Amino acid sequence: DAGVIQSPRHEVTEMGQEVTLRCKPISGHDYLFWYRQTMMRGLELLIYFNNNVPIDDSGMPEDRFSAKMPNASFSTLKIQPSEPRDSAVYFCASSFGTFEQFFGPGTRLTVL
Amino acid sequence: AQKVTQAQTEISVVEKEDVTLDCVYETRDTTYYLFWYKQPPSGELVFLIRRNSFDEQNEISGRYSWNFQKSTSSFNFTITASQVVDSAVYFCALSEVDSNYQLIWGAGTKLIIKP
Repeated sequence: DAGVIQSPRHEVTEMGQEVTLRCKPISGHDYLFWYRQTMMRGLELLIYFNNNVPIDDSGMPEDRFSAKMPNASFSTLKIQPSEPRDSAVYFCASSFGTFEQFFGPGTRLTVL
Repeated sequence: AQKVTQAQTEISVVEKEDVTLDCVYETRDTTYYLFWYKQPPSGELVFLIRRNSFDEQNEISGRYSWNFQKSTSSFNFTITASQVVDSAVYFCALSEVDSNYQLIWGAGTKLIIKP
């Protein structure tokens, strides 16, 4: 079975540009999570969805960040405009119910 | 208040030594789950184990073992006969009703296995 798929794996962009990160969860999972990991702040939950509906977006740092889940097999995290402090590894994870989360390989974002 | 404490920031041992990673948690819920994840240098987060609060049996999987003790609110992880490939950051996490079952992460313990 395929795990969580994320694209791109690496993204380098310039400040002010729009960035879109993509995620395909494991088939059959009903929860999807977006995390950000930095050395300074560790792993931070940004937002999570249940059955494609956003449940808690309190971790989204600013209005520049937005996330969507148009269907059960696809989600996006968008940053517009991007800033250097957004540089981090962004992980997508999915789970079935409240059980263990399975993580994608992450997208390493560098904003110059 | 920190709910998951991994007091060991970094541990360094020589290959073949046994090593224990500590995890202490705090919760008021009677139903909760505890997890361990591994993050090797390649960066992915790998699920290792989940335990629920009603099952205090120790778990063994190959060289890995986990000791869950509710009396001390601990869920420690032991690697027996460590190998270089065990080098990684290990995270302990808690999910509980109060946090709507979302993962509360420890800060992680960086394990270095020297050849």
